[in-house]
Amino acid sequence: EPEVTQTPSHQVTQMGQEVILRCVPISNHLYFYWYRQILGQKVEFLVSFYNNEISEKSEIFDDQFSVERPDGSNFTLKIRSTKLEDSAMYFCASSERLAGTDEQFFGPGTRLTVL
Amino acid sequence: AQSVTQPDIHITVSEGASLELRCNYSYGATPYLFWYVQSPGQGLQLLLKYFSGDTLVQGIKGFEAEFKRSQSSFNLRKPSVHWSDAAEYFCAVRQRSSASKIIFGSGTRLSIRP
Repeated sequence: EPEVTQTPSHQVTQMGQEVILRCVPISNHLYFYWYRQILGQKVEFLVSFYNNEISEKSEIFDDQFSVERPDGSNFTLKIRSTKLEDSAMYFCASSERLAGTDEQFFGPGTRLTVL
Repeated sequence: AQSVTQPDIHITVSEGASLELRCNYSYGATPYLFWYVQSPGQGLQLLLKYFSGDTLVQGIKGFEAEFKRSQSSFNLRKPSVHWSDAAEYFCAVRQRSSASKIIFGSGTRLSIRP
């Protein structure tokens, strides 16, 4: 069964460093998403992406964040200068269509720890 | 403001007992409704969803949920839990318009007593 994969599973970085979180969505999907979950808190939407453009972003997704689809298979989230409060689990998701009825399939997550 | 409330942070039930996890939402109109499960170290797996029609929806792993418009609720149920059901459960909503984001509740952690 096709699935969304994410690498690395755990990333440790120093405050102020740049990190890139990688995701491989399901191959025929066209819509991609990033969510994050700070420890003990709810899962929060960050950004959606389609046709090489951001479709929607939350207020969390400020200028230090960026997303990219560098090739036909990867979808990345870059955090330019990490802060302590960026420590969280980051989930990638993908869906075939944007419609509200379409299921978003989630990856296993990358746990980011900022020291 | 749009919100999803899961009032129970942690529930423990005995194996074989019935389960009900509560979810209430606050939205301008009835949204699409979902339940996800997250096992330790795993991603979010969709258990079931409600879009329209029959208000009792069946999902995977023997779960069901009932949409009650008058109560703005979408409670998850299972008649007999198994030890493997121990996990975190998230209720979620998605707007019926073109908005793509899912709004999650804070989750309920389910523990199973042998």
